[in-house]
Amino acid sequence: ETGVTQTPRHLVMGMTNKKSLKCEQHLGHNAMYWYKQSAKKPLELMFVYNFKEQTENNSVPSRFSPECPNSSHLFLHLHTLQPEDSALYLCASSQVRGTGGMETQYFGPGTRLLVL
Amino acid sequence: RKEVEQDPGPFNVPEGATVAFNCTYSNSASQSFFWYRQDCRKEPKLLMSVYSSGNEDGRFTAQLNRASQYISLLIRDSKLSDSATYLCVVNRANDMRFGAGTRLTVKP
Repeated sequence: ETGVTQTPRHLVMGMTNKKSLKCEQHLGHNAMYWYKQSAKKPLELMFVYNFKEQTENNSVPSRFSPECPNSSHLFLHLHTLQPEDSALYLCASSQVRGTGGMETQYFGPGTRLLVL
Repeated sequence: RKEVEQDPGPFNVPEGATVAFNCTYSNSASQSFFWYRQDCRKEPKLLMSVYSSGNEDGRFTAQLNRASQYISLLIRDSKLSDSATYLCVVNRANDMRFGAGTRLTVKP
């Protein structure tokens, strides 16, 4: 399935590095999301973009910086991360209706990040 | 209190068994409800939406009780391939909240 793709699939970085995660959706959706999934914890919503505008930032530290250049692409820029940021980072997309309703979200395969 | 609570399990059942998962949510304004399935080291995938009237998809039956803020998933005639973590998901105004998941292992 290639509806939502993410690169890289695995990433190891030091605390002083700068890297970016990329997500692309091929489903014609108008909303995209970043989630963090740590071991034995629920998925945590990080950022939401509707029609390329950021509509939600769930108290995410500034060392995570999202970018949404168009409705099909989403980036997560990483800098000076901490070891506790090691997790699976999942991108998702959905179609948001004008009434505020939302169809279900489709997830990419995730980027497994390890911060040393 | 967590927004979405699930029994973490694990549930270990033999093939052919019937197993039920429960989920409760705290926000009464929640609008839509889903069950997702997540295999080990894979992304979550939609299993089924949950409707107020209850809905069935093959061996899977989902129920919603808005008054009690309770969602359930019933799996009949379990298969080995049903082994996964099942995530209860509650949506309000484009804000999806996930439970921590219930792990199911179906054994031969």
